[in-house]
Amino acid sequence: AQKITQTQPGMFVQEKEAVTLDCTYDTSDPSYGLFWYKQPSSGEMIFLIYQGSYDQQNATEGRYSLNFQKARKSANLVISASQLGDSAMYFCAMSDGGSQGNLIFGKGTKLSVKP
Amino acid sequence: DAGVIQSPRHEVTEMGQEVTLRCKPISGHDYLFWYRQTMMRGLELLIYFNNNVPIDDSGMPEDRFSAKMPNASFSNLKIQPSEPRDSAVYFCASSLGLLDEQYFGPGTRLTVT
Repeated sequence: AQKITQTQPGMFVQEKEAVTLDCTYDTSDPSYGLFWYKQPSSGEMIFLIYQGSYDQQNATEGRYSLNFQKARKSANLVISASQLGDSAMYFCAMSDGGSQGNLIFGKGTKLSVKP
Repeated sequence: DAGVIQSPRHEVTEMGQEVTLRCKPISGHDYLFWYRQTMMRGLELLIYFNNNVPIDDSGMPEDRFSAKMPNASFSNLKIQPSEPRDSAVYFCASSLGLLDEQYFGPGTRLTVT
């Protein structure tokens, strides 16, 4: 069965510092995708970054990067130079061939950026 | 592209009433997903479509829930009759391919009293 674990219910970070949000996953399928979404207090789900299981390099999108460690089954999100607007819930999600596109979401991490 | 469009943004209804939530996916996306988000259960997939055909509806809670996609640019999710435990935020999302990133709509916040 697929499973996504986010062990940090809440995180604090000082503005302009980097922060790492943890995510571990479990799947027996060799082909899968890992995703991070941001949900601000307004409620919308914003796609941030994607990592495919066969990608050789870690994904990066602006200030977001994904620290993909396949052997450890971890896909941590790194946000560099945090901004006040980064305060939100962050969800890690996975889909694989077995789930046929079904995104399995973690419980989320609430990030608070302090000025 | 305007992104995924959902309506209404907020819906308040009384128990027993029929509720219809609507979604317009991003043009060209072949997959459409309906999710429900609650504090207790987080984000759950209800049903998804590929090229307008329902593929997996195993997440639909019970027969009171139904979803259709009559064409590539529209889907609706109906709850009949609605119950207070259906209160949640309902998201629609679409994607190009099966394992591609899904783009979410703004959600519909449903309150059933």
